[in-house]
Amino acid sequence: DTEVTQTPKHLVMGMTNKKSLKCEQHMGHRAMYWYKQKAKKPPELMFVYSYEKLSINESVPSRFSPECPNSSLLNLHLHALQPEDSALYLCASSLWGSDTQYFGPGTRLTVL
Amino acid sequence: QQQVKQSPQSLIVQKGGISIINCAYENTAFDYFPWYQQFPGKGPALLIAIRPDVSEKKEGRFTISFNKSAKQFSLHIMDSQPGDSATYFCAARTGSGYSTLTFGKGTMLLVSP
Repeated sequence: DTEVTQTPKHLVMGMTNKKSLKCEQHMGHRAMYWYKQKAKKPPELMFVYSYEKLSINESVPSRFSPECPNSSLLNLHLHALQPEDSALYLCASSLWGSDTQYFGPGTRLTVL
Repeated sequence: QQQVKQSPQSLIVQKGGISIINCAYENTAFDYFPWYQQFPGKGPALLIAIRPDVSEKKEGRFTISFNKSAKQFSLHIMDSQPGDSATYFCAARTGSGYSTLTFGKGTMLLVSP
């Protein structure tokens, strides 16, 4: 099973709202990733967690706050977002030491 | 040096034809080269991948050709079908524990019936 699940599939939020995106995998992967993808562009790396610790933060604004509460779960907390933050947010995971990243279906976020 | 250059940006192929997408890189530290297929509104799905010690890899209708000396690799889709219409991203990987992918800009493939 190479499934990464993400919820919700779609999210519409105002600029003053607080919301969270959730990502889950049960493949024993100890590396998990958040990407942002704008239309007709490649995925852009935001954060990397390795063994539940933040390893990479690609200079992402503080209105995005990641959290990895356990080895299967990755959250992205959103607060005071801007309309330009509207995008497809992708989660991925990989086995430690492995090359392959498996992507989830994404959450389509619209900020009004 | 982290860039992966992908061409063409878009491609239209007749059903049954061969689709070819090319990528080039500079960083010799890249050690794994996957191709992802993405349908609208969906996440990228790993299609096929190759390591630099192999010159060609074939899986069904999909083949990667790899030229290490030229730092180029390409995806060939044989007998292209309308269901292959999607965006294709090449990528290159670095890292030992977690992996870091550098993506090409993508190619939108349309296979006409």
